[in-house]
Amino acid sequence: AQSVTQPDIHITVSEGASLELRCNYSYGATPYLFWYVQSPGQGLQLLLKYFSGDTLVQGIKGFEAEFKRSQSSFNLRKPSVHWSDAAEYFCAVVWNNNNDMRFGAGTRLTVKP
Amino acid sequence: DARVTQTPRHKVTEMGQEVTMRCQPILGHNTVFWYRQTMMQGLELLAYFRNRAPLDDSGMPKDRFSAEMPDATLATLKIQPSEPRDSAVYFCASGRMHEQYFGPGTRLTVT
Repeated sequence: AQSVTQPDIHITVSEGASLELRCNYSYGATPYLFWYVQSPGQGLQLLLKYFSGDTLVQGIKGFEAEFKRSQSSFNLRKPSVHWSDAAEYFCAVVWNNNNDMRFGAGTRLTVKP
Repeated sequence: DARVTQTPRHKVTEMGQEVTMRCQPILGHNTVFWYRQTMMQGLELLAYFRNRAPLDDSGMPKDRFSAEMPDATLATLKIQPSEPRDSAVYFCASGRMHEQYFGPGTRLTVT
């Protein structure tokens, strides 16, 4: 079955430190890849997406993600984390040109002062 | 700044009552999704529509849940009768192609 895995349930980083959130997906042709962020009590906001082309994609709020087909991964990165980045982050995948978006379980990010 | 809107934002009801949640998708988006989010199950897709036609509602308990899209500006999700296990945050999302934009959610509590 097609699945999305976010191995880290909770990550804590210091403000100003770099961040990498991991996402792996089960193999499938033509994945469309997304990262969303959810602040407490809010809906999900799209950070970035990958459909094709350059495997390093830039998103909002200084985030970027790199698609690595050989590793079935789409890890999210930010060079310097701000306290306002504390939230839950979801990786999502759409396979085979349909609309069925599968979400990972999410990674909760805590930012230490 | 176009956004998906959902009403109500919060709903507390007693078991057995009917609950109706409403969603106004972003104008021009032809696909509408309903999700449920709980701590235990995470985000679950309940149903989705394209061009107002239901495409997939396999994630929805059919005996008590129903989803409709009476026109392009309104999608509804009804639960009748509601049960405590339905307590969750229900999100609507709209989109084109494969992108989805989420509303703020309806937090439902069934006592």
